[in-house]
Amino acid sequence: QKEVEQNSGPLSVPEGAIASLNCTYSDRGSQSFFWYRQYSGKSPELIMFIYSNGDKEDGRFTAQLNKASQYVSLLIRDSQPSDSATYLCAVNSGGNDMRFGAGTRLTVKP
Amino acid sequence: DAGITQSPRHKVTETGTPVTLRCHQTENHRYMYWYRQDPGHGLRLIHYSYGVKDTDKGEVSDGYSVSRSKTEDFLLTLESATSSQTSVYFCASGTPNYGYTFGSGTRLTVV
Repeated sequence: QKEVEQNSGPLSVPEGAIASLNCTYSDRGSQSFFWYRQYSGKSPELIMFIYSNGDKEDGRFTAQLNKASQYVSLLIRDSQPSDSATYLCAVNSGGNDMRFGAGTRLTVKP
Repeated sequence: DAGITQSPRHKVTETGTPVTLRCHQTENHRYMYWYRQDPGHGLRLIHYSYGVKDTDKGEVSDGYSVSRSKTEDFLLTLESATSSQTSVYFCASGTPNYGYTFGSGTRLTVV
């Protein structure tokens, strides 16, 4: 069974702080990794993807991948109340098998 | 409008009745997917399609069927709805390598 695990939270950070969201996966053959943001009552929205070990930055967001440790993370710098949402980690092991974690709920307090 | 749309947005149905959910995309994506989202389980794949009339089962396909007669349309049918199928259903299109675009979802309640 290919598993994607996330801490359900809630994770609470003050406005302006760095939020760190973590995800582990079980399939060593996994090839691509995604972070989605989902506001309450809305659909998931793709915010980042990463394929190679290391960091990938996009504005205030940084995705980090460590394939040896089977670990992917998302850092949100200068967190804003509008970042309050559930963040879903997704892992593709090839083919059409994209597995989603259950999500981490983030709250950014003003 | 561009993107992906689902209908209906909300539906209440009785146990044992058939239900069809509709998904329409204007991105000309070859791949389309149906997921269900339940608390504590995240998104789970029901069925997917890799082309017109080409479909395959996902992780939780029992009790569901799909059809794709045109590139832009992907239908999900619950043959005989049960209370365990009460969920939020999302349609998505895209590719596993580059990520998916999701529709707005259908909240289905089976009573």
